[in-house]
Amino acid sequence: SQQGEEDPQALSIQEGENATMNCSYKTSINNLQWYRQNSGRGLVHLILIRSNEREKHSGRLRVTLDTSKKSSSLLITASRAADTASYFCATDPARGAQKLVFGQGTRLTINP
Amino acid sequence: DAGITQSPRHKVTETGTPVTLRCHQTENHRYMYWYRQDPGHGLRLIHYSYGVKDTDKGEVSDGYSVSRSKTEDFLLTLESATSSQTSVYFCAISDRGTYNEQFFGPGTRLTVL
Repeated sequence: SQQGEEDPQALSIQEGENATMNCSYKTSINNLQWYRQNSGRGLVHLILIRSNEREKHSGRLRVTLDTSKKSSSLLITASRAADTASYFCATDPARGAQKLVFGQGTRLTINP
Repeated sequence: DAGITQSPRHKVTETGTPVTLRCHQTENHRYMYWYRQDPGHGLRLIHYSYGVKDTDKGEVSDGYSVSRSKTEDFLLTLESATSSQTSVYFCAISDRGTYNEQFFGPGTRLTVL
């Protein structure tokens, strides 16, 4: 079964609003990564947060990690139409062998 | 963009035929991965490589084989394609495995009739 599960599966908001996506996982991890995928394209890495970190920022992105709840959230502030994409979390299991495990993704639509 | 290409980008084939997809990188990264992406399943790992001639299975390896004879190329072979292997296939590379980011290729859309 998938290690990471994103919530919600789909999210539609107005341009300028903030978008929050959540990811839950089942086993201990070394790190958790977020990726974006535009329609018909490959995935693009957004941010990596290690298991000993609680929060990380990159531009308009803010990621939090709660290892006690085995969950992470991705916040995109001041959303733009260009943020329309699917967003995936991927976990690096602590006992894994160099294999990321991806969730099914959140489809984000930013309405102008 | 990371120097990673996939070929072909689109392919239509018939059930029972062999198919080989190629991933080529110019970054000299050690790790290379093959994923498939299907609606409702996200990305699933098929096989990966941690060096020349060093490969390991992923979550959905049945029906697939891989080879890596040189650092820059990672081949995925469907020995006898089935309709259930209709999917979009992505290659990814990384210089430190899962300890840092993976760079993805543009994908290959494979249709098995």
